[in-house]
Amino acid sequence: EIILTQSPVTLSLSPGERATLSCRASQSVTSSFGAWYQKKPGQAPRLLIYDATNRATGVPDRFSGSASGPDFTLTISRLEPEDFAVYFCQQYGFFGQGTRLEFK
Amino acid sequence: QVQLVQSGAEVKKPGASVKVSCKTSGYPFTDYSIHWVRQAPGQGLEWMGWIRPNSGAINYGQKFQGRVTMTRDTSISTAYMELNSLTSDDTAVYYCGRDRGLLSSLKWACDSWGQGTLVTVSS
Repeated sequence: EIILTQSPVTLSLSPGERATLSCRASQSVTSSFGAWYQKKPGQAPRLLIYDATNRATGVPDRFSGSASGPDFTLTISRLEPEDFAVYFCQQYGFFGQGTRLEFK
Repeated sequence: QVQLVQSGAEVKKPGASVKVSCKTSGYPFTDYSIHWVRQAPGQGLEWMGWIRPNSGAINYGQKFQGRVTMTRDTSISTAYMELNSLTSDDTAVYYCGRDRGLLSSLKWACDSWGQGTLVTVSS
């Protein structure tokens, strides 16, 4: 079993600011299958990043992903109002507990 | 365009079973695996398993082994997820998602999703 720990649990920021979301795996995993999703209430998850660093089709370039060892990072360079949501990381059949990005 | 359309909301009693369907269109159904993921109220995402429509091969999450069955009907491009012995802890929105990997190349990332099916378990 892989445990993915996301931090912070809640991130309070303002539009225009930079957001950095982290996800640490409990064991060494190949970064090939790291994914990030955006989840809003009443909507299905939206794939943002796959293979740790690749943006999914239609995802704005303000979203970027990186990986180093067991650590995965999602960065949103300049927050737009529609970016405030919950973000989940995924490795294989395991999800992190989520980071809630809220208005400051 | 790629579409996954799930069946409607269900209300079940404890101990019952539920079967959720996921009808796909806009791409060759047998070319991409389907994952099932659920989200209980106020909780995170939980992976349940996947099915390969071309072969019927399945892989279930350990938590759901023995209680979940994933099947498909290639003639109507539809995947199914059946969960047995329901308890209140199974109250959740259930999603199907298309893996982005082609054929047997599983990529563990879903690029298209169904709209979700709310399953409520209550006596």
